[in-house]
Amino acid sequence: GQQLNQSPQSMFIQEGEDVSMNCTSSSIFNTWLWYKQDPGEGPVLLIALYKAGELTSNGRLTAQFGITRKDSFLNISASIPSDVGIYFCAGQPGGYQKVTFGIGTKLQVIP
Amino acid sequence: DTGVSQDPRHKITKRGQNVTFRCDPISEHNRLYWYRQTLGQGPEFLTYFQNEAQLEKSRLLSDRFSAERPKGSFSTLEIQRTEQGDSAMYLCASSLGLAGGNEQFFGPGTRLTVL
Repeated sequence: GQQLNQSPQSMFIQEGEDVSMNCTSSSIFNTWLWYKQDPGEGPVLLIALYKAGELTSNGRLTAQFGITRKDSFLNISASIPSDVGIYFCAGQPGGYQKVTFGIGTKLQVIP
Repeated sequence: DTGVSQDPRHKITKRGQNVTFRCDPISEHNRLYWYRQTLGQGPEFLTYFQNEAQLEKSRLLSDRFSAERPKGSFSTLEIQRTEQGDSAMYLCASSLGLAGGNEQFFGPGTRLTVL
């Protein structure tokens, strides 16, 4: 099935550093979502974006809905060890429709 | 706990056997979704329900797969004559739907291993 282009696919960073990851699609989405998944668990919703150009923060996390509606990015500031996990972007064409996921960015934080 | 729950968390079965998974959505969420996730990939949509009506099915959902949500609350996903390629994490999600919010909240998943 279709999956979004998400980059980077993995990254190692030092504790305290900022992290940036992005997601692009060939299709327009009306909603962009960012999830985090720990091993053996389901994805947990971090941020939801509903308007083109919207910039939303959740603690140390900031995400933006691209103007073209075909991209989004997520920033994590001042990373800590518990930020380790896989981050997925996801898009919805309409509010009731299925969510299409990226392949994930695996984040590892070195203490 | 008021989140989405799934049962069982793990299932090991032999090829050719039938398996059934259960999902209990967040109370009063009228939309329920099933996804499949294989190693190194993001979740892929299988099907979704608005109350008890199954409104969309992915091409990934072969004839061996069937999902039900008989009373608009919990849902079951059955796989008949399992194959090794069915090994994956099966995730359930729910959302309020309509004007109540479209964010999908996921359960912990059922990991299926077909030997």
